[in-house]
Amino acid sequence: NAGVTQTPKFRILKIGQSMTLQCTQDMNHNYMYWYRQDPGMGLKLIYYSVGAGITDKGEVPNGYNVSRSTTEDFPLRLELAAPSQTSVYFCASSLGTSDIQETQYFGPGTRLLVL
Amino acid sequence: EDQVTQSPEALRLQEGESSSLNCSYTVSGLRGLFWYRQDPGKGPEFLFTLYSAGEEKEKERLKATLTKKESFLHITAPKPEDSATYLCAVQVTGFQKLVFGTGTRLLVSP
Repeated sequence: NAGVTQTPKFRILKIGQSMTLQCTQDMNHNYMYWYRQDPGMGLKLIYYSVGAGITDKGEVPNGYNVSRSTTEDFPLRLELAAPSQTSVYFCASSLGTSDIQETQYFGPGTRLLVL
Repeated sequence: EDQVTQSPEALRLQEGESSSLNCSYTVSGLRGLFWYRQDPGKGPEFLFTLYSAGEEKEKERLKATLTKKESFLHITAPKPEDSATYLCAVQVTGFQKLVFGTGTRLLVSP
C-alpha cells in the first residue's frame, strides 16, 4: 500500500491563479481531511469528508473548495490564490467507523508559495 | 473552546539524556489523545493513541502517559535519530476531527 499520496510536492503560484492539490489514498478509508500547517502554528483543518459525495467545512475553509466523487480521491481547489494561502498542505485519511476514535494517516504534504 | 498546548517549544538534549515533553489540553470531552512525529519536509507519522487517564504506551525509547489534564511523552536515552518535531492532538467526543498543538522541536546531539 502506498498509503496517502499527494501531488504536487511543491508549487509556486502567482496571486489570482488557481490550482488543485491532489490527494489519493489506497487504504479504503471512508474519512479524508485537508489540513494546512503554518510556521509556529498547529495543523488547522480546512475541509473534511466522511464519504463520497459528503464534505464539510473545518476551521479555516475560506478560499478553498473540495469535492469527493470517489472513496480514494479528495482534491483541494484553490481559487484566486492569495499570499495568505502560502503554507504546507497535508491530506489525511482514517477508516471511518464513527464509534471509536481513529488514527489519521497523513500524506507527505504539498508546499505552496503564492507570490 | 478546545485547546491543546505543548511545551517546551524546543528542546535540545545530549545523546542519552532523558527528558519529557508535555501536552496539556482543555476540551469538552476527550475521545482520544494522539502523538505524532514529524520530520522536516514530511507528513506527521503516527506514534500513539491514549484513550483514558492512567493509560501508558511504549515504543522503543518513547513512552506516552495520560492524565485528565495532560499527556507526557517520555524519551529515555535518546539518540540523534529521535530528533524531530513531536505533535500532540486531541479528538473531542462526538467528532472525528483532531485539534493539534503547535509541537515540540527536539534536537538530540551526539
